[in-house]
Parts: sequence; structure tokens; C-alpha cells
Amino acid sequence: GEDVEQSLFLSVREGDSSVINCTYTDSSSTYLYWYKQEPGAGLQLLTYIFSNMDMKQDQRLTVLLNKKDKHLSLRIADTQTGDSAIYFCAEKNDYKLSFGAGTTVTVRA
Amino acid sequence: ETGVTQTPRHLVMGMTNKKSLKCEQHLGHNAMYWYKQSAKKPLELMFVYSLEERVENNSVPSRFSPECPNSSHLFLHLHTLQPEDSALYLCASSQETGYNGDEQFFGPGTRLTVL
Repeated sequence: GEDVEQSLFLSVREGDSSVINCTYTDSSSTYLYWYKQEPGAGLQLLTYIFSNMDMKQDQRLTVLLNKKDKHLSLRIADTQTGDSAIYFCAEKNDYKLSFGAGTTVTVRA
Repeated sequence: ETGVTQTPRHLVMGMTNKKSLKCEQHLGHNAMYWYKQSAKKPLELMFVYSLEERVENNSVPSRFSPECPNSSHLFLHLHTLQPEDSALYLCASSQETGYNGDEQFFGPGTRLTVL
């Protein structure tokens, strides 16, 4: 079955880089996603990576995928206070998204 | 209205009440989803509809009853809920269900509290 794990909390100083890590178990996943959830809001897709890619960069966001170890990471460069949120890793197989429990990122001044 | 909307945003109900959650998508999508989000737990997929037909029912208790009258609207009818059903209920939609790269767009959720 699907099982996605992430650490629950991350505290980072404003201006530093944040790295959020995720491990998944379903080797047949074809897409992996990062979603962001701000307080009182739904999930917003930040970025995704196809399973045959190792890296994807999109402005301040860098996604790294190690398919052998089933490890996914999201790096946010120059973290800002507006980046404080819960970040969810998700893997997709067919139409089903399996989510981690979310990492709460707190940006301190 | 744009995207995916959900009403009400907050709902408090007793265990004997009957209420309904509503979701509407303005994206022309064919698939809609209900998820349950409990604190510090992964999102749980509850139901999936594709072209108004239910394609997934993830062992959800019968006190939750979905309804999809058309591809733009999705309801979740609630009756005789338990306090442990208190959670954020998220609706999502996507273009299709069979396409692996298809993005799911989420609504803001309904915060449900069962007393």
C-alpha cells in the first residue's frame, strides 16, 4: 500500500533556505507533488516532478527526486514569512493521491 | 466565482443532526473528490466521482453519503456523526481521473465540528 512520510515541523530563519524531506513507498508512482496549505485555506499545488526526472527547478523552488531511495525533497531558497505554511508531499498512482501528514514550516525573523 | 468553492466554511453539528456539505467547481472538470483532513494525519481520500459516477469509495462509514448530480457539483450528506468525524473536509476536482499528470485543484474546505 501507499505510505508517505514527512517530518512534522521545520523552523527556519528568514532569508535562509528551507529543505523539506519526504519518503514514499510506492515505486510505481508516476508523479510526485508538493502542496502548500496556508491557515484556513485548501491545498495549493506548488510544483510536481515526473518520476523519470531527478530535479526540477521553478524560481525559488527546487525539487530533488531520488527514485532508488524513494526520497523527495523540496528546497525553498531565500525563505520569506509568506512561506510559513504546511507543506504536503504526495505521490500519485492512477488517479489516487496519497499524502504525507504535512510539514509545518515556521519562518522566524 | 472561480476555482473550487465549498460551503459552508464552518459547521458545528450535534450527533443527531443531518447536514450537507456542498462543493462546486467552475473549471469544467469531469472528476471530483472528497478528502478528510484530520490534525497531523495524512489526507484521507473518501470518494471519487468521474462524470457523475462514483469510482471510489474508500471504506467510508455509511453516515457519510455523497451525491454528484452533475459534473460541477458534489455534496456530502452527513447524519448521526461521531465526535471523531470532526475534521476539515476538502473537495477537489481534476480534468479526468485516468490521466496520471492531471492536477487536482482543491477548495478551501469545510471545518466540521461534531459535538
